Amino acid sequence: GDSVTQMEGPVTLSEEAFLTINCTYTATGYPSLFWYVQYPGEGLQLLLKATKADDKGSNKGFEATYRKETTSFHLEKGSVQVSDSAVYFCALDGSSNTGKLIFGQGTTLQVKP
Amino acid sequence: EAGVAQSPRYKIIEKRQSVAFWCNPISGHATLYWYQQILGQGPKLLIQFQNNGVVDDSQLPKDRFSAERLKGVDSTLKIQPAKLEDSAVYLCASSQGQGPTDTQYFGPGTRLTVL
Repeated sequence: GDSVTQMEGPVTLSEEAFLTINCTYTATGYPSLFWYVQYPGEGLQLLLKATKADDKGSNKGFEATYRKETTSFHLEKGSVQVSDSAVYFCALDGSSNTGKLIFGQGTTLQVKP
Repeated sequence: EAGVAQSPRYKIIEKRQSVAFWCNPISGHATLYWYQQILGQGPKLLIQFQNNGVVDDSQLPKDRFSAERLKGVDSTLKIQPAKLEDSAVYLCASSQGQGPTDTQYFGPGTRLTVL
């Protein structure tokens, strides 16, 4: 079945460092891909998404490119801030595109001043 | 615009007891989801409603879990009887439709502890 694998956390970075959180997926067909973020004490919220191969999703300085050839959707940010400290979840909506999200296990990011 | 509301926020029960969670989605959202998030894992879909009909309940443990969405608005998720492994955060989400362009908005969750 469909699945998502994220890099293990926690990831600890200094402010202004470059961030990459790896995400790979297994799915039949052409899933849509998402990154969700959960800030401390808050609910899950959509960060960015891509619905077809080679699409780039972007928001708040974060970017991720849908790479079908490597089945990946890595999250990147050029310069992280303390306020980016959160748990990041990669997810896919399977080939049926019914809204059923399958999430990775989450990666905790801690940014130190 | 009000977000997805859930109650209670926290619940502690003994194993074999019953518990119910309530969700009020964003007004006008036809699709409602219940997810279970066990500590250290990503959310797992339990059940998806489109209006008041069930779209997917393939991962709902039907011997102990039940959910309803009467009148296509509010929804209730029930566990009876609870087991230790049901300890988790139960998340409700809603969206206007069920396609990839329909963003799912999540509530704050209900944290259940089963002792």
